[in-house]
Amino acid sequence: EAQVTQNPRYLITVTGKKLTVTCSQNMNHEYMSWYRQDPGLGLRQIYYSMNVEVTDKGDVPEGYKVSRKEKRNFPLILESPSPNQTSLYFCASSLLGGGKGRNEQFFGPGTRLTVL
Amino acid sequence: GENVEQHPSTLSVQEGDSAVIKCTYSDSASNYFPWYKQELGKRPQLIIDIRSNVGEKKDQRIAVTLNKTAKHFSLHITETQPEDSAVYFCAGTGSYIPTFGRGTSLIVHP
Repeated sequence: EAQVTQNPRYLITVTGKKLTVTCSQNMNHEYMSWYRQDPGLGLRQIYYSMNVEVTDKGDVPEGYKVSRKEKRNFPLILESPSPNQTSLYFCASSLLGGGKGRNEQFFGPGTRLTVL
Repeated sequence: GENVEQHPSTLSVQEGDSAVIKCTYSDSASNYFPWYKQELGKRPQLIIDIRSNVGEKKDQRIAVTLNKTAKHFSLHITETQPEDSAVYFCAGTGSYIPTFGRGTSLIVHP
């Protein structure tokens, strides 16, 4: 089954404790990205990747890191989480990076993160 | 980068009424305009999309219209049902990076 998976689905942690949220897709998509969703603010892009070893900042990258060592995986790293990073996080992937032809974004199930 | 504005932020209708959600975009290079539906507690999923060489596209009770000159596109839902209650997002695709609107919370009252 074609899908995007994320782990963990729920996470409660404390300020400063490093964490990683994994994202994996099995559709051979070049483009992957991370979003955070907060009430009234919609989906804000954190980082994106056009292909292996190619990553770039989105609209709200501060406090986050990513890596793209393999095509299927795109982990989100919070080196020192803070309470303002409490949010719902979505990973997404697509076949072609933006604008070129049909570019349906496939979203993972989401990770609800709480930083105390 | 692309600027996408979506209105209204909340839309409340009676079952059976029509609903219209509008988006404007800034990048004239955008050529693909999707709409996503996010039900409560779930992930956003594509429900309909349109390319820039088409003015309108329909799929049963939903339709999307595009006005490239004015740089806006709209989602139309006819004969709304309670299961249409959700948050709807539009997206622009200029500069190869999709930019989402802030979302519209549609509430359909039985």
